[in-house]
Amino acid sequence: QVHLVQSGAEVKKPGASVKISCKTSGYTFSSHAMHWVRQAPGQSLERMGWINTVNGNTEYSQKFQGRVTITRDTSATTVYMELSGLRSEDTAVYYCARVPLKWGFSYFDHWGQGTLVTVSS
Amino acid sequence: DIQMTQSPSSLSASIGDRVSITCRASQSISSWLAWYQQKPGKAPKLLIYTASSLQSGVPSRFSGSGSGREFTLTISSLQPDDSATYYCQQYDSYSTFGQGTKLEIK
Repeated sequence: QVHLVQSGAEVKKPGASVKISCKTSGYTFSSHAMHWVRQAPGQSLERMGWINTVNGNTEYSQKFQGRVTITRDTSATTVYMELSGLRSEDTAVYYCARVPLKWGFSYFDHWGQGTLVTVSS
Repeated sequence: DIQMTQSPSSLSASIGDRVSITCRASQSISSWLAWYQQKPGKAPKLLIYTASSLQSGVPSRFSGSGSGREFTLTISSLQPDDSATYYCQQYDSYSTFGQGTKLEIK
């Protein structure tokens, strides 16, 4: 059974960074790329970027380029997303989401439970 | 970026009703479209992929249709558990989501 378990809620001050983990289990880690999607309060879903879990290559949405870093630890079957230069508009629930492919864009067949990041002074 | 526009933004329907939600893409996306259901405080749940393929475990009252620029999610007989917000997602070019349709049960 596939599980994506994310780290807990965070409260950060403007300008700080946050790093969220997504621990995977129940499938072969390197067989699926992992994406990050966020959802601001009352808003729709917005992609941030993704990682090829085989070679660690990443692609980021232009909106977050320069502020987001996605990494993976293959031995721990865990993916991380770090967002820097936080501002109030980054207050959102952040999700990791798996695609049924080794790389690229597709539908998201499994999601983490979400991590609420609150940015407030 | 490809823009996805859903309609309506919200709707209210009765148990047993047939309900349809439309998603329009700003350019052709072939059949690279998925539908999700999201309940408050929960992650989205995949319902339909490649426009019309039903995800395993999803009730057969959910169906998807369309290709090119216009797509429809249909619930054939609305159930109480279907109260949620529904999103479409294109994955033809990168990935973008519609703004959502909130479905309420009368």
